[in-house]
Amino acid sequence: SQKIEQNSEALNIQEGKTATLTCNYTNYSPAYLQWYRQDPGRGPVFLLLIRENEKEKRKERLKVTFDTTLKQSLFHITASQPADSATYLCALRRAGTALIFGKGTTLSVSS
Amino acid sequence: GAVVSQHPSRVICKSGTSVKIECRSLDFQATTMFWYRQFPKQSLMLMATSNEGSKATYEQGVEKDKFLINHASLTLSTLTVTSAHPEDSSFYICSAPSSGGYNEQFFGPGTRLTVL
Repeated sequence: SQKIEQNSEALNIQEGKTATLTCNYTNYSPAYLQWYRQDPGRGPVFLLLIRENEKEKRKERLKVTFDTTLKQSLFHITASQPADSATYLCALRRAGTALIFGKGTTLSVSS
Repeated sequence: GAVVSQHPSRVICKSGTSVKIECRSLDFQATTMFWYRQFPKQSLMLMATSNEGSKATYEQGVEKDKFLINHASLTLSTLTVTSAHPEDSSFYICSAPSSGGYNEQFFGPGTRLTVL
């Protein structure tokens, strides 16, 4: 069956460091992959989308890579700040329908 | 980005009662909306796809008679949890895709349902 795994449930880093989150998927051939941020008690907020023919995508301090051979996406936050503390969700679109999400990685950035 | 609202944000009800949750797209039209449920420390699980003017499509294992979905207009979808029980207590979130295809989705702020 199709699976999305974010293999770190929690990640703790110090302010200023780069946070790297991993998303792996199986039994999927997605045309694109998305990353969302979710704060406690809130709905997810879209961050970035990367297509299968794109190796890397950047937006301000965020960078996403997509390796369709490894079936993996890496999500980086450079120069991390305490305000970056949240849960980050990887999502793939199921053909013709809604998004399927990983469990998320909760990032804590300490000052 | 586009805005999706949900009402109520929080509801506490007695076991056996029905609860209606509204999801509205405020500045765009959504022929399709999605309903998710999220338990603590778990991922968002898709419950159903709400289609304007037609029946909703439910995911496997989701009881359509228990979770009634109505998409009466291009800006409103409602989810009614009928005869709620404590195991239905969860965080319910709706979303709508951006126009021009199912790319990014805009999520509502969620509704916390607690059934006593």
